[in-house]
Amino acid sequence: DAGVIQSPRHEVTEMGQEVTLRCKPISGHDYLFWYRQTMMRGLELLIYFNNNVPIDDSGMPEDRFSAKMPNASFSTLKIQPSEPRDSAVYFCASSFAGTGVGYTFGSGTRLTVV
Amino acid sequence: AQSVSQHNHHVILSEAASLELGCNYSYGGTVNLFWYVQYPGQHLQLLLKYFSGDPLVKGIKGFEAEFIKSKFSFNLRKPSVQWSDTAEYFCAVNAGGMYSGGGADGLTFGKGTHLIIQP
Repeated sequence: DAGVIQSPRHEVTEMGQEVTLRCKPISGHDYLFWYRQTMMRGLELLIYFNNNVPIDDSGMPEDRFSAKMPNASFSTLKIQPSEPRDSAVYFCASSFAGTGVGYTFGSGTRLTVV
Repeated sequence: AQSVSQHNHHVILSEAASLELGCNYSYGGTVNLFWYVQYPGQHLQLLLKYFSGDPLVKGIKGFEAEFIKSKFSFNLRKPSVQWSDTAEYFCAVNAGGMYSGGGADGLTFGKGTHLIIQP
C-alpha cells in the first residue's frame, strides 16, 4: 500500500494566486481529513469527508478555502486568493471507521505564500 | 468540544534517560486517545492508541502510555530514550467508542512537545 499521497510536496506562490493541494487516500478508506500545521496554532482540523461527503467544515478558516472530494480516491484543498498567513504545512489523512486502526497521514504539502 | 493540553513544549534529555511527556484532555464523555510522533521534515506517525480495555498501552519503539481516567491524562513514557527519538510528539483525542476511534471523527491535537535527545 502506497499510503496517503499528497502533492505537491512543496508549493511557493505569490499572494493572490490560486493554490490547489491534492490528496489520494488509502484505497478502501472511507474518511478523509485535511489538517493545517503552523508554529503558532499547531495542528488544526480544517474539514473532513465521509464517503466523499463533507461532514464538518467548521475548521475552514475563511471562504477563501474550499475542499472537494469528487470520488473515493481523490480530494483537493483550494485556496483562492492565497495570502501570506496561509503559509503552513497541510496534511491529509485517511481512515476506515470500524477497524480501530486510527488515521494514516500523508507527507504533507509545505505551502509558502510570498 | 475536546481540548488537549501538553504541558512541556520543549524537553531536552540525555541518551538513556527516562522519558515522560504529559497529556491532559478535556472532554466529559468516552474518548479515544492517541500519541503521534513527527520526525523532522516528516509526516505524523502513530505511536500508540487507546480505545478501551487495559489502560496501559504499549506502542512502537518501546513507548507506552497510561490512561488515567480520573485525571483525564494519557502520559507517554519510555524507560530509556535514544538519540533517534528526537522529534515532535503530539497527543490527540477524539470522542466516541472504537468505531469512532477508528477514524469517524476528526482528531483534536495538543500543541506538541519538542523532544531533543543529546548524545
